[in-house]
Amino acid sequence: DAGVIQSPRHEVTEMGQEVTLRCKPISGHDYLFWYRQTMMRGLELLIYFNNNVPIDDSGMPEDRFSAKMPNASFSTLKIQPSEPRDSAVYFCANIKGGKNTEAFFGQGTRLTVV
Amino acid sequence: KQEVTQIPAALSVPEGENLVLNCSFTDSAIYNLQWFRQDPGKGLTSLLLIQSSQREQTSGRLNASLDKSSGRSTLYIAASQPGDSATYLCAVKLVFGKGTKLTVNP
Repeated sequence: DAGVIQSPRHEVTEMGQEVTLRCKPISGHDYLFWYRQTMMRGLELLIYFNNNVPIDDSGMPEDRFSAKMPNASFSTLKIQPSEPRDSAVYFCANIKGGKNTEAFFGQGTRLTVV
Repeated sequence: KQEVTQIPAALSVPEGENLVLNCSFTDSAIYNLQWFRQDPGKGLTSLLLIQSSQREQTSGRLNASLDKSSGRSTLYIAASQPGDSATYLCAVKLVFGKGTKLTVNP
């Protein structure tokens, strides 16, 4: 398995534009998580899905952020409209299922909003 | 709400030294604790996963311990090497500490 695959690796966009980040999870891993990492706040959990269903989105900072998981092979995190303070590295992570399993991370998308 | 704290925030040691990184958490009702390594500009690589029923886990020069009752975990790195330089993060219920940035000097 190629692991968790995120695209794009880098994204530079202008303030006000829509940004869509993508994640292809590991096959058979039922839990998918979106994180944001900044120097000031570290890694913050934004939202997670179980079997494609959003379970907890309490970490989503504002209504400008939305996430979907239309099927087990794909998830998106969308920011509309984007703002400079959204600049961060966004990670997607997977857990196979159950409570005692290991988490695997993608390489992240570095977003810069200018 | 689970809070995870890592001390120290940064550590610089000479090559060959043994070292300990600390992680503390507030809610002891955990299933497991996981240690990760992050290189600059990269994603997180899982190092060790300790189940709540375990006291420690070892992988090569790395040893992680877990004391649920006191809400603490330590990551011990033996005979450190320059290639160990990275940020080390611990996670409990997928809540992360801010990490310890380790620099091993040749």
